[in-house]
Amino acid sequence: GAGVSQSPSNKVTEKGKDVELRCDPISGHTALYWYRQSLGQGLEFLIYFQGNSAPDKSGLPSDRFSAERTGGSVSTLTIQRTQQEDSAVYLCASVAGRNTGELFFGEGSRLTVL
Amino acid sequence: GDSVTQMEGPVTLSEEAFLTINCTYTATGYPSLFWYVQYPGEGLQLLLKATKADDKGSNKGFEATYRKETTSFHLEKGSVQVSDSAVYFCALSGFQKLVFGTGTRLLVSP
Repeated sequence: GAGVSQSPSNKVTEKGKDVELRCDPISGHTALYWYRQSLGQGLEFLIYFQGNSAPDKSGLPSDRFSAERTGGSVSTLTIQRTQQEDSAVYLCASVAGRNTGELFFGEGSRLTVL
Repeated sequence: GDSVTQMEGPVTLSEEAFLTINCTYTATGYPSLFWYVQYPGEGLQLLLKATKADDKGSNKGFEATYRKETTSFHLEKGSVQVSDSAVYFCALSGFQKLVFGTGTRLLVSP
């Protein structure tokens, strides 16, 4: 597609349920990032993929969070046993090559955990 | 570790006023610096960047100069418009990722 696509755009779930958030990057972009945007907290780095491998997953908050990328394209961020503090907007961005500057962001997936 | 500090918002201005949003950073080495903007209902997009000391990035009437001596990258615009209302994020290029500030909301009234 023309831009980075994320789904769902909004997700409301109950505490303890698992959720999956999907990111479809710009075609041909080899690097993919997940960030989390919480109220008053700015953008918090979660994980970075180069191709299908994740050289840096240092930002994942706990072992309830995991992410994978297949075919060098679509990525899925999974949150198990969601907690209320997981409520945030989850942003995906992609970039061609190893240029870390000009990230192209999707519109985000807003997660609300009740 | 690397970090970015931005002035807290919201910043409220009238149309045609002068804008400054302060940004300072802490980093090892010589990072590139960026301003991203998030308009209501849209994803973040790159506004401008500077890759080395004394570089000035500019776009859409916005400017920012990379000041190594003060570790700053303040965003300025001489005359804001209502359409500039958005959240502005300062960022630096850390190792393999961008490190963002907390964002500053700008509200411009007619």
